[in-house]
Order: sequence, then structure tokens, then C-alpha cells
Amino acid sequence: QKEVEQDPGPLSVPEGAIVSLNCTYSNSAFQYFMWYRQYSRKGPELLMYTYSSGNKEDGRFTAQVDKSSKYISLFIRDSQPSDSATYLCAMSNAGKSTFGDGTTLTVKP
Amino acid sequence: ETGVTQSPTHLIKTRGQQVTLRCSSQSGHNTVSWYQQALGQGPQFIFQYYREEENGRGNFPPRFSGLQFPNYSSELNVNALELDDSALYLCASSMRASSYNEQFFGPGTRLTVL
Repeated sequence: QKEVEQDPGPLSVPEGAIVSLNCTYSNSAFQYFMWYRQYSRKGPELLMYTYSSGNKEDGRFTAQVDKSSKYISLFIRDSQPSDSATYLCAMSNAGKSTFGDGTTLTVKP
Repeated sequence: ETGVTQSPTHLIKTRGQQVTLRCSSQSGHNTVSWYQQALGQGPQFIFQYYREEENGRGNFPPRFSGLQFPNYSSELNVNALELDDSALYLCASSMRASSYNEQFFGPGTRLTVL
């Protein structure tokens, strides 16, 4: 069983929809929780990171961490066609990051 | 401030050959990590270098090796290539000055092993 499991998708939503992306994990030692966006043929780009349980908001993006359930989510409000990409959750401990396999999102105009 | 760069962009090798991939860290970063990303999967941690010393390794065999140079650029070497080594190889640099180290990824090198 993988340490990090990510809802596989793919997801296709109309422009303006609210998107929910989710990951679960099994390693209690993970300290930091990140969401990356990866466009085709590019390296991952950090969107947000959180340390503690709770919500963190940045513009249209909200990251949510529930350490008791070992569950993290990323919400995208008012989704735009430019949000179409693969979203990767990642968790780190001692400088080493463990990634989920990604969810590919398509936002249709 | 320049970002993380990797070379070459694409590479085709045959089984059994050896390959060297290169990475230039972002200015001011002294830590570099290498990841392997197979098609449809997330990046998998290969190893990390901090000030020219290996500082952690993932579940990869010894034929995957690396170097970090005094200017903090880095190389990933893979010997005895296998078909399953075909993947996107990503390097990421970070400043190891705090407990959380934001990693900045390069665009990757796409390796195809025939």
C-alpha cells in the first residue's frame, strides 16, 4: 500500500465550478502537506503548503488538513480553464517529499 | 534570480547503457533532490544532496548515483539502464535554512530506454 493515496480522477468540470481534490496518507511522521500543479511537459509548481490541521486560503485556493483522519484536500473556487493541469499532493518529513500520483483536472469554458 | 535548469531536455538510450543528467540549482540554494516520475505517476524520491554530501535516499538501487558540486549544481548517473528507467527525471533545489524547505523544480529530463 502506498504511503500517499490520491483520488485518481480525471476530473472534468465547467468553468466556474468548485473543485475538490483529495489525498489520504498513512505515515504519521509527515509534517508538511503540499499541493503542486503540473502542466504537461513541465516540472511541478508549488501552490500551497500547510503545517497544522485546519484550513489555509490563498485567493481561489483553500488547502485543508485533517491530521486525525490523515486526510488533506484542495478546493478551487471559480475554476478557470487555465486551472487545467495535473494536481499533485505531497507530504514531507525530514526534507524528503512523498507524492500522490496526481489528479488531472480539465476546466471546460 | 535564475530558476532550476536541467539538461538535456530529452534523451534516448538503449538497455545496458549509462546516462548522466545535469541540474543547476536556483541561485542561493544548497540542497538538491532528484525524483523519478513515471508516466501517470507522481514523482518518486531518488536521493538528496546537501553541501556535496548525500543526505537521504529513496528506494532506488545503487546503479542510481549522484554528485553535487561546490557551486551546488548536481548530476544524476544511472548505470546499466533498464526499460523501466524510462521516465521524467526531475531535480528540485531548496534552501536548507529552515525546517520547511520549499522545493523549486526544474522542467525535467525525459529519458527513454529502448
